[in-house]
Amino acid sequence: NAGVTQTPKFQVLKTGQSMTLQCAQDMNHEYMSWYRQDPGMGLRLIHYSVGAGITDQGEVPNGYNVSRSTTEDFPLRLLSAAPSQTSVYFCASSSGRNTDTQYFGPGTRLTVL
Amino acid sequence: AQSVTQLDSHVSVSEGTPVLLRCNYSSSYSPSLFWYVQHPNKGLQLLLKYTSAATLVKGINGFEAEFKKSETSFHLTKPSAHMSDAAEYFCVVSLIPGYSSASKIIFGSGTRLSIRP
Repeated sequence: NAGVTQTPKFQVLKTGQSMTLQCAQDMNHEYMSWYRQDPGMGLRLIHYSVGAGITDQGEVPNGYNVSRSTTEDFPLRLLSAAPSQTSVYFCASSSGRNTDTQYFGPGTRLTVL
Repeated sequence: AQSVTQLDSHVSVSEGTPVLLRCNYSSSYSPSLFWYVQHPNKGLQLLLKYTSAATLVKGINGFEAEFKKSETSFHLTKPSAHMSDAAEYFCVVSLIPGYSSASKIIFGSGTRLSIRP
């Protein structure tokens, strides 16, 4: 049971490039989320999904796309990277309601030059 | 407005002394409350959670927190700090119990805990 996995661990992009951050979980969780973590701001929700085929926007969705074709995978796409997207990105999953524990991946540290 | 406030951005204590990390929330509902810990360059791990059962909640590694509705607080405590407790701690509130939406989960800005030898 690997839990939540994220790839890559580190990435450097140039402004305007696109890329996909991968997230997968093997706990059969319905709910998956993407957060970004910036100093002094906690974690902010980018996009989330309540099940395969269903996604919705969080607090800071601009510049990011998601899709959920399977229960296991929830990739995050940066369409045209900007320096403001330099951050640490965390994927999380949980089994259902807001009383449930979220399980976090190890994070992806992204730098946009 | 619904929110969660961690009152200290940085707390420093000596090894073996008590730890207090403060968290206040604002919510129109009876919330579920969580504390997560993040060690350097790691993901977040659940320490403990309150979901309307006992108001004093015990977590991992000797941490506990007490839900005080009258004070809208959920402070995290530990009787004796250990060097391995040095990490960032996040208070998290889930605003609508049982509501199936990740958008209703709010993170505090975090408290960095340092332990002096």
